[in-house]
Amino acid sequence: KAGVTQTPRYLIKTRGQQVTLSCSPISGHRSVSWYQQTPGQGLQFLFEYFSETQRNKGNFPGRFSGRQFSNSRSEMNVSTLELGDSALYLCASSLGPGAMNTEAFFGQGTRLTVV
Amino acid sequence: AQSVAQPEDQVNVAEGNPLTVKCTYSVSGNPYLFWYVQYPNRGLQFLLKYITGDNLVKGSYGFEAEFNKSQTSFHLKKPSALVSDSALYFCAVRDEGNRLAFGKGNQVVVIP
Repeated sequence: KAGVTQTPRYLIKTRGQQVTLSCSPISGHRSVSWYQQTPGQGLQFLFEYFSETQRNKGNFPGRFSGRQFSNSRSEMNVSTLELGDSALYLCASSLGPGAMNTEAFFGQGTRLTVV
Repeated sequence: AQSVAQPEDQVNVAEGNPLTVKCTYSVSGNPYLFWYVQYPNRGLQFLLKYITGDNLVKGSYGFEAEFNKSQTSFHLKKPSALVSDSALYFCAVRDEGNRLAFGKGNQVVVIP
């Protein structure tokens, strides 16, 4: 079956702009989590969506938001971009909170560069 | 809160030698532990997991991991490293909220 699909793969934006990233999970997976990866901070949890509801949120400013659609696809949005938002954004797909013993599968990520 | 520590920044090993990547964890309740590998500009690939049962877990590409409850460790091992194993390795623990808490990652360099 198809894996986790993230679009776009690469993105260059200027400071102050906003950006929307997309993630399509594995078929049958209802939980989507987002992570930010930077060389200095490693992998940091942004938020998790399950059944169109945000279940968890990491320690990020309100400029970072997301949503999930009825088909489990998810988008995350970053407004008023800052240089420090440059990172690899990873989406992870899993069955959901009732299946904690199962692994999450990751997309290839979206590389965002803010100039 | 759950957390994971990967004490070494980089692990260097000669091709053909055993490879070990260390991980210790802190969790309340039953630990759900995972290892992932990341190649440059790629997402994370699942290697193996410990849920319950045997302390020695076998995974993809010849990797295995040993769960040690008394030492709260979950070290990743491979008996004979390949140059193609050079990558970034992450240990993770799942918390009650279904979040994955990752360690900082270990860069593995396999020297030909």
